[in-house]
Amino acid sequence: KQEVTQIPAALSVPEGENLVLNCSFTDSAIYNLQWFRQDPGKGLTSLLLIQSSQREQTSGRLNASLDKSSGRSTLYIAASQPGDSATYLCAVRPEDSSYKLIFGSGTRLLVRP
Amino acid sequence: DAGVTQSPTHLIKTRGQQVTLRCSPKSGHDTVSWYQQALGQGPQFIFQYYEEEERQRGNFPDRFSGHQFPNYSSELNVNALLLGDSALYLCASSLLSRESSYEQYFGPGTRLTVT
Repeated sequence: KQEVTQIPAALSVPEGENLVLNCSFTDSAIYNLQWFRQDPGKGLTSLLLIQSSQREQTSGRLNASLDKSSGRSTLYIAASQPGDSATYLCAVRPEDSSYKLIFGSGTRLLVRP
Repeated sequence: DAGVTQSPTHLIKTRGQQVTLRCSPKSGHDTVSWYQQALGQGPQFIFQYYEEEERQRGNFPDRFSGHQFPNYSSELNVNALLLGDSALYLCASSLLSRESSYEQYFGPGTRLTVT
């Protein structure tokens, strides 16, 4: 059974710091991995989608990497800003003809001015 | 280009009642998935609809049912509400023909409170 874990559960950093969020999954048989941002009480905003054949994806100050064989992904945020404060969720799509996404519990990020 | 929309935004119901939540997919999308997100947790998959049929179902009881209409919009129905059904309900849409990439787009959610 696929399980997704995100560490740390919460993180507080000063503005301007570079930071890394971690995501691990137990079964390497995945189609892709997606990183989302969620503001309190709101829906999910897709940040980056990495296909299983890819190693990384970049969008602006965000860079996500994927090591499928070891079951790990990282989301790197450069030069963090207070507006980056949110919960970050990772989700995998299993290869077992599954149409669902399996999510981690998220990392709650606070960037202090 | 309209994104995924959901209604209502918030809902308060009493135990034992029934509720219907609605979702309109992103323009051009034909597949709708529903997720339940309890406070402090990641979303849990409820089910997915394509061509008006349920394609896959997560580990949720039969009290949870759904429907997809010819215009691809969808409803989630929950019967005999329990306190534990209180959660944010998220709808996500995608395009079947792009299943190889399979990026899902999420709506803003409906916050359901059961008292």
